[in-house]
Amino acid sequence: DADVTQTPRNRITKTGKRIMLECSQTKGHDRMYWYRQDPGLGLRLIYYSFDVKDINKGEISDGYSVSRQAQAKFSLSLESAIPNQTALYFCATSDTRANYGYTFGSGTRLTVV
Amino acid sequence: AQSVTQPDIHITVSEGASLELRCNYSYGATPYLFWYVQSPGQGLQLLLKYFSGDTLVQGIKGFEAEFKRSQSSFNLRKPSVHWSDAAEYFCAVALNTGGFKTIFGAGTRLFVKA
Repeated sequence: DADVTQTPRNRITKTGKRIMLECSQTKGHDRMYWYRQDPGLGLRLIYYSFDVKDINKGEISDGYSVSRQAQAKFSLSLESAIPNQTALYFCATSDTRANYGYTFGSGTRLTVV
Repeated sequence: AQSVTQPDIHITVSEGASLELRCNYSYGATPYLFWYVQSPGQGLQLLLKYFSGDTLVQGIKGFEAEFKRSQSSFNLRKPSVHWSDAAEYFCAVALNTGGFKTIFGAGTRLFVKA
């Protein structure tokens, strides 16, 4: 099994619908992140969490919300999806104790029509 | 504002040729520096990282990178490229503010021709 698992892998949804992307990890890492990737823009941070009781906004949090249900689970919600939220979404984890490299999930490709 | 710049959107090299991907950062202090690779349909994988010490760091898959403080650069190199190296490469910095959040460059797509 992958260290960081994202579900679903692909999703097509309609404008105005609520959708949740889920992420779970077996790394035992404290920190979890949600990024979105758009061509030519690299990865942009949506939200991050340093532990279960800690949630922080990233640079593009508008239109998104998150929930850290447990150390291993971090979900991203789009309350009312809009077409410009069509993107590739990545969950990542990192350990605070050693290095600061990230472990990424395989991504969720979301299309809002 | 802090930023990471990868000047080349895409690069094409011949198989067996050497490779250098450029990365420059804008930050007041020396950040933690990383290179990641993303193969099609996959998440990003850490290639190598620099925190301190020897400015030439070795990574996986035969890659290395050199930190040059005077140029605020952290360029990625490989002596001989293989067709399987075709992918997108991201430079990233982790800042010593707000808990070491990571900022990514826009990426450089590498094409390898036979």
